[in-house]
Amino acid sequence: DTGVSQNPRHKITKRGQNVTFRCDPISEHNRLYWYRQTLGQGPEFLTYFQNEAQLEKSRLLSDRFSAERPKGSFSTLEIQRTEQGDSAMYLCASSFGQGARETQYFGPGTRLLVL
Amino acid sequence: DAKTTQPTSMDCAEGRAANLPCNHSTISGNEYVYWYRQIHSQGPQYIIHGLKNNETNEMASLIITEDRKSSTLILPHATLRDTAVYYCIVWRGSQGNLIFGKGTKLSVKP
Repeated sequence: DTGVSQNPRHKITKRGQNVTFRCDPISEHNRLYWYRQTLGQGPEFLTYFQNEAQLEKSRLLSDRFSAERPKGSFSTLEIQRTEQGDSAMYLCASSFGQGARETQYFGPGTRLLVL
Repeated sequence: DAKTTQPTSMDCAEGRAANLPCNHSTISGNEYVYWYRQIHSQGPQYIIHGLKNNETNEMASLIITEDRKSSTLILPHATLRDTAVYYCIVWRGSQGNLIFGKGTKLSVKP
């Protein structure tokens, strides 16, 4: 399977702990996006990278959240000092951006539960 | 990016065509209409997108009105596996994030 992969698929943690999620995009996709989805809502944008550069961050991305894409391939999303409100599905998407008309392809998501 | 309006839910009989409407009256000339769907507990799946001409692929057809203020996604022969939330998104098609609404929950019934 050559789609977007995310690990872990599920994570349960206690409030105050740090968690890190990984996203492996489709090979050669230069753009990588992180979204968050809470129950009953559509996904909401968090941040995106073009190659290794983080180009945009949403106001949802508080200072407890940090994302990296060190070599322009896989990406990690870390949440420090987790809170119960961080419980959500974290989705990664990738695309090949070349001018107009790109398509974002999503991974299966990481479901986080903070107790 | 333009806002879209979709019905909250729809039912469709298995084997029949499912027609999912979307209004996007404030769409700009350079914005595309994208459709994604999300089956329970999975990531969104890309279905189709178009600018102004009708589009068809192996999954669905997209009909965009001439004034581009609305569109319809057509699943020609719905199956139980098509039960999902369908999102209509208007996007300029390059860089930046997709803005998801709440979508239409399509229930395909036997």
